[in-house]
Amino acid sequence: QVQLQESGPGLVKPSETLSLTCTVSGGSISSYYWSWIRQPPGKGLEWIGYVYYSGSANYIPSLKSRVTISVDTSKNQFSLKLSSVTAADTAVYYCARHGGHGYYFAYWGQGTLVTVSS
Amino acid sequence: EIVLTQSPGTLSLSPGERATLSCRASQSVTNDYLAWYQQKPGQAPRLLISGASSRATGIPDRFSGSGSGTDFTLTISRLEPEDFAVYYCQQYSTSPLFTFGPGTKVDV
Repeated sequence: QVQLQESGPGLVKPSETLSLTCTVSGGSISSYYWSWIRQPPGKGLEWIGYVYYSGSANYIPSLKSRVTISVDTSKNQFSLKLSSVTAADTAVYYCARHGGHGYYFAYWGQGTLVTVSS
Repeated sequence: EIVLTQSPGTLSLSPGERATLSCRASQSVTNDYLAWYQQKPGQAPRLLISGASSRATGIPDRFSGSGSGTDFTLTISRLEPEDFAVYYCQQYSTSPLFTFGPGTKVDV
């Protein structure tokens, strides 16, 4: 059974860069798409972007100028960097694996709360 | 961008009752690329349905999905106590832009 675990700082200062890593266990990171999704407290879900194991990535247009998602197949990990953060970026950040037959999200990490505050 | 609207916002029901949740898209969802998720407080979402009607592994058969084009429905035939949660629909027909609906809360 595939398991995903997010890790990274829970507090980031405004204007700095948010950095999170998702470690995949129970399966290889190869041959699938991997996404980051966030959920502000008390609100709905927002897809941020995905990366393929080859390294190609795509992002939601509204965040494209600030986001980078990368993959490290040797460590079975993929990562999120979000620059110039503001309080509006405070959210629970989830990593997820896409399904084998489409871009739905078949497996999710437990999520990690990132607060942007000075 | 496909905008998803879910109704009702909150559905107040009792265990044993039938729940019918609606998800409407602002334009046609190609190939019925629509998924449903369940989220309980403090937990990550869990995939219930993909392709509009295919149950994910381990999902009880009281959960069923239907619909096509712009109108989709998630039905829970008989609510169990553990089914009280928030349900989200998500379209994945417009790669690489995937969108979620705002959610429907099913409570007692």
